[in-house]
Parts: sequence; C-alpha cells; structure tokens
Amino acid sequence: DAGVIQSPRHEVTEMGQEVTLRCKPISGHDYLFWYRQTMMRGLELLIYFNNNVPIDDSGMPEDRFSAKMPNASFSTLKIQPSEPRDSAVYFCASSLRQGGLRPGNTIYFGEGSWLTVV
Amino acid sequence: AQSVTQLDSQVPVFEEAPVELRCNYSSSVSVYLFWYVQYPNQGLQLLLKYLSGSTLVKGINGFEAEFNKSQTSFHLRKPSVHISDTAEYFCAVLEWGYQKVTFGIGTKLQVIP
Repeated sequence: DAGVIQSPRHEVTEMGQEVTLRCKPISGHDYLFWYRQTMMRGLELLIYFNNNVPIDDSGMPEDRFSAKMPNASFSTLKIQPSEPRDSAVYFCASSLRQGGLRPGNTIYFGEGSWLTVV
Repeated sequence: AQSVTQLDSQVPVFEEAPVELRCNYSSSVSVYLFWYVQYPNQGLQLLLKYLSGSTLVKGINGFEAEFNKSQTSFHLRKPSVHISDTAEYFCAVLEWGYQKVTFGIGTKLQVIP
C-alpha cells in the first residue's frame, strides 16, 4: 500500500523563483495536511484540507504561500516568490477520520520535500 | 487552545540504558495524545497513541507512554535503548472534536554506544 508521496524530494532554487511542492495522499484519506519543519520553529501546521476543502490556513506564513487541492488525490503548496527564509522541510500528511467525535486514524507523513532557497 | 511542551531538546543516553522523554500538554478540553518518531531524512511515523482506556500505552519498538491527567503529562519511556532508537521524537495532542494536531518542538534522542 503506497504511503503519502511527495515531490520533489529535494529542491534548490534562487530567491524570487516560484516553487511548487506536490503531494499525493493515501487513497481514501479525507484529510490532508501541509507542515513545515525548521530547526528554530519545529513542526508547524501550515494548512489542512477536508474532502479537498481548506479548513484552516491560519498557519500559512504570508500571501506568498498558497495551497490547493483540486481533487482527492493531489495537492500543491506553492511559494511565489521564494525567499531564503523559506528554506525548510515541507511535509505533506494525510489521515482518515472516523465518524462522530472520535479522532482520525493515524496521521501518515510523506518523506518530505527539502527546500533550499539561495 | 492546545499546546505541547517537550522539556528536553536533546537527550543523550548510553546503549541498553533506560530513557524517559518528557511531554506536557495544555488544553481546556479532553485530548488524545500521540508520540511520533522521525529518523534522519525521513517523515514522521506513529510510535503510539492514547485515545481512552488504560493510561499505560504500549507502542512499537518497545516504547511505552503513560497518560497522567492530573499532571497533564504523557512521558515516553523505554527500559533499554538501542543504537537504532537514535532519532527525534515528537509529542502531539489532538483536542476532542477537532482534527488539528499540535506537535511539540521535538526531542533528539542520541544513543551512545
């Protein structure tokens, strides 16, 4: 069973360029999360979707960041224009929520996209 | 709002020694608690989770954690660590009725041969 698939695994780009990170969640999962991990701030939730609809984007740092989920099997996180301080590991994760007030099953993480902006 | 505090950023321990990684949380409602592990250059994977029932939870790789509601803690323990346990460990909390998980800053466990 394939896990969460992210691409690219590594990206080095120049300041000012557009960066697009891609994610394919686990089939059947109805929640998708984008996290950013840095040494200084740890793991931060940027945005999450439920059934392709953005639910909470309060963690998106600024307007340069945008995320979309056009269908249940694909999501993108875009940074335009990119800046050196955006250098981080970006994780996509997905989960399947059970009914009622029970929490979702385990959140499954991709292997991350390592972004360096120079 | 929920929050998670991992009190130790780094924990060095000798191989075959016991280890405890500390986690405290803050929430105004009931919570679910998780420990995730991140090996170098990889994503996070679930070690164990507390949803309800017994406060002592056993996970993979010989780890266990105990939920203490009065102390709002969820410390992770292993009686004898192995070199392969060297990784970063994240405590996480999810408030009842929500789907937004908050992670702690992480604790780097370094097992010394």
